[in-house]
Amino acid sequence: KNEVEQSPQNLTAQEGEFITINCSYSVGISALHWLQQHPGGGIVSLFMLSSGKKKHGRLIATINIQEKHSSLHITASHPRDSAVYICAVSRGGATNKLIFGTGTLLAVQP
Amino acid sequence: KAGVTQTPRYLIKTRGQQVTLSCSPISGHRSVSWYQQTPGQGLQFLFEYFSETQRNKGNFPGRFSGRQFSNSRSEMNVSTLELGDSALYLCASSPPGTAYEQYFGPGTRLTVT
Repeated sequence: KNEVEQSPQNLTAQEGEFITINCSYSVGISALHWLQQHPGGGIVSLFMLSSGKKKHGRLIATINIQEKHSSLHITASHPRDSAVYICAVSRGGATNKLIFGTGTLLAVQP
Repeated sequence: KAGVTQTPRYLIKTRGQQVTLSCSPISGHRSVSWYQQTPGQGLQFLFEYFSETQRNKGNFPGRFSGRQFSNSRSEMNVSTLELGDSALYLCASSPPGTAYEQYFGPGTRLTVT
């Protein structure tokens, strides 16, 4: 079983819809990261959080440490949000090593 | 500040050859991590360097090696290339400390024929 699981693997939405991507992890962590990767592109860090909730524009990330679960929400989705969204965790200690989920491929149709 | 830069961006090599990839972190960042991304295995951690010392290593064969220089620039080397080494190789840098946001470079796309 993977240490970081994401769902769904694929998601198709209509422009304007509210989108939720889920991430569960089975190990102790110091932080959880949400990353975005456009097709053929590099990786951009969207959020790093260790508790509670963070918001940036139309993106919201939440984490429940007790349940080992995080969600990424996109409000008023737009075709430019089409990308792979990757959940990753860092376990702390003397390392920045990330453990990644398999990613969620999001397609937002106009 | 300039972002993380990686060179070259694209590379085609033949089986059995070796390759060296370079990563220049953001100024002031001393930690550099390397990751491999393939369609089958996704993103996997290769190794991490901090102040010229390897701090952590992933589960990759000894053909994969790296180093970091005093200016924090890092290189990774893959010897005796195999077809399965075809991948996007990403490096990421972090400011001093742990559990900090990582800043990724654009990656080097390696194709082994």
